[in-house]
Parts: sequence; structure tokens; C-alpha cells
Amino acid sequence: GAVVSQHPSWVICKSGTSVKIECRSLDFQATTMFWYRQFPKQSLMLMATSNEGSKATYEQGVEKDKFLINHASLTLSTLTVTSAHPEDSSFYICSCSGTETYEQYFGPGTRLTVT
Amino acid sequence: SQQGEEDPQALSIQEGENATMNCSYKTSINNLQWYRQNSGRGLVHLILIRSNEREKHSGRLRVTLDTSKKSSSLLITASRAADTASYFCATLNSGNTPLVFGKGTRLSVIA
Repeated sequence: GAVVSQHPSWVICKSGTSVKIECRSLDFQATTMFWYRQFPKQSLMLMATSNEGSKATYEQGVEKDKFLINHASLTLSTLTVTSAHPEDSSFYICSCSGTETYEQYFGPGTRLTVT
Repeated sequence: SQQGEEDPQALSIQEGENATMNCSYKTSINNLQWYRQNSGRGLVHLILIRSNEREKHSGRLRVTLDTSKKSSSLLITASRAADTASYFCATLNSGNTPLVFGKGTRLSVIA
């Protein structure tokens, strides 16, 4: 399957600061990228869908001004958590969909801890 | 919103036994996928079954799909301690729409 990377794999930041998470598709062009959030012992919840070159579509309850998504190219999407709070501590996972639109490939996830 | 519902939420078995997990969903789908997640790690894609398929095998895994009942099952045969993980079903409605995940089943295989 296709390879998707995320950077960083884990990050600790102080409350009030911003954190940027990168998601890269390494060997294919990702038309669409998805961002999920997973709290401990819970399932993955979709945060937003982004298509290259257009604004992201956010799920209900996800603040677009707090979670900034940029999908500037077919291989890179970034999620910036602005003014992070301890309740934003979570596991953030991206996935990419390429030309084979019925398959998604997941990154390894980024664990964010806000102190 | 969550579509899939796994059953049971937690399952504990002895090594060598079979483990069966079930998943129900609510709307029409294009395909259904099963993933494994070890604690604190990323997702591992296990198997994909399309809406026109009824059963699929991959090694010790057997997946069934009943679109009339909107349900799927994952059977792991001859379980091993290394199979201990959370297992999620996820459904795809159409191309370039996101996968919708169930709540997951936490499987513990005791050696």
C-alpha cells in the first residue's frame, strides 16, 4: 500500500502555544486528505476533509479557527492547533486518498500533549 | 458521527482460541474495512470487503458482510498473544468520502 508519514510523531507543548502537524503522502498524489482525532480508549473521529487547493470542510463541532488545515500540494497537508489547551491533548491521525478513491492510507499518527 | 458499532466492546480469550468481532452500520456502503490498532500506535489495515462480496479471507482472518442486515464480522482463528489490540470496522460510502469508524473492540489474548 501507499506510504503516508506524519511529523512529528509526538509533541509536548505549553498551553496557549500553537503546534503544526504535517501529513505527507510519500509515493502517490493525495487528492483528498482527512484529519482524525482519537482520545484515549475511543475511536477515531473525523475532524475535517481537505482537497488540494481548496478550503477544508470541517465536521460539526470542530472549530475551524482553532484547527487550521492547509492542503497546499498533492503530497502535503498540515494541521495547526492554535492556542492549544490541555483538552486538545489527543492522538491526531491523517489519511490520504489518491486516484484509487475507494482506498485511504493512514499516517502513523501524532500524539499531542498540552501541559 | 459514528456509524459502525462493534460488538463486543471488549473480549478476552486464551491463546489458540478463535475471536469473533461484529460490526453493524446504518447506511449503504461501498466497502467495509477492518483495522487493528495497538495501544498508542497507528492503524494497520487488515482487510477490505466490497459491498458485492459476502466473505473474504486473509491468512488467519475471515471477514463476512451481510448488506441486508448491515453487519460484518471479523474472525481471527488460532489467536496469538500478538493479536492483542483494538479492532475497528470502518465504512466507506463513496469515493473521496471519509471512512467512518466504529467504536472498536479491545481484544486481549492471554498466553
